[in-house]
Amino acid sequence: DAKTTQPPSMDCAEGRAANLPCNHSTISGNEYVYWYRQIHSQGPQYIIHGLKNNETNEMASLIITEDRKSSTLILPHATLRDTAVYYCIVSGYSTLTFGKGTMLLVSP
Amino acid sequence: EAGVAQSPRYKIIEKRQSVAFWCNPISGHATLYWYQQILGQGPKLLIQFQNNGVVDDSQLPKDRFSAERLKGVDSTLKIQPAKLEDSAVYLCASSLASLSYEQYFGPGTRLTVT
Repeated sequence: DAKTTQPPSMDCAEGRAANLPCNHSTISGNEYVYWYRQIHSQGPQYIIHGLKNNETNEMASLIITEDRKSSTLILPHATLRDTAVYYCIVSGYSTLTFGKGTMLLVSP
Repeated sequence: EAGVAQSPRYKIIEKRQSVAFWCNPISGHATLYWYQQILGQGPKLLIQFQNNGVVDDSQLPKDRFSAERLKGVDSTLKIQPAKLEDSAVYLCASSLASLSYEQYFGPGTRLTVT
């Protein structure tokens, strides 16, 4: 599976959009970009995934660059409950390899 | 829909003792995973089951860790004997199939080895 690079931490004001970047320059053609998050003392939670096109669901939007070497997860209106570690994972339809992720702190 | 259940939630043991964790996946989910999450790191896959067969156990320390999934439903993960470095959260997850993009995680069992 391709390796990903994420900033270790980010801050966001409540109500503002949170934009979490991820670099995956070695992604191969059949690999997807997955995003999971882990709220303190809970198991990880699936957010969204994509292959080439941008994706949106009720939780977030995923923007993948045309060359697929990077992506951005967007939480349009962050709330305090969005404070969590966010993991960007690149994988085929197989096992997920988690890195250390980005700790997003949403403040009032 | 009931989520993935795990027990116990917390366990403290001394090194060289044995311990077992239990997982009940979401009903109908054929694939079950066990992960180990050491403090400050992301979860690491230990073993993956498809029904009651092992798909991937390449990162399972087989000299001390064992896992089974009887009848393709519940699963147990055992450590015998435990070492200090086994202190971690053990997460169970399940998915509809092995080729499924969404894994559903349980709350985990926090193990402390003293």
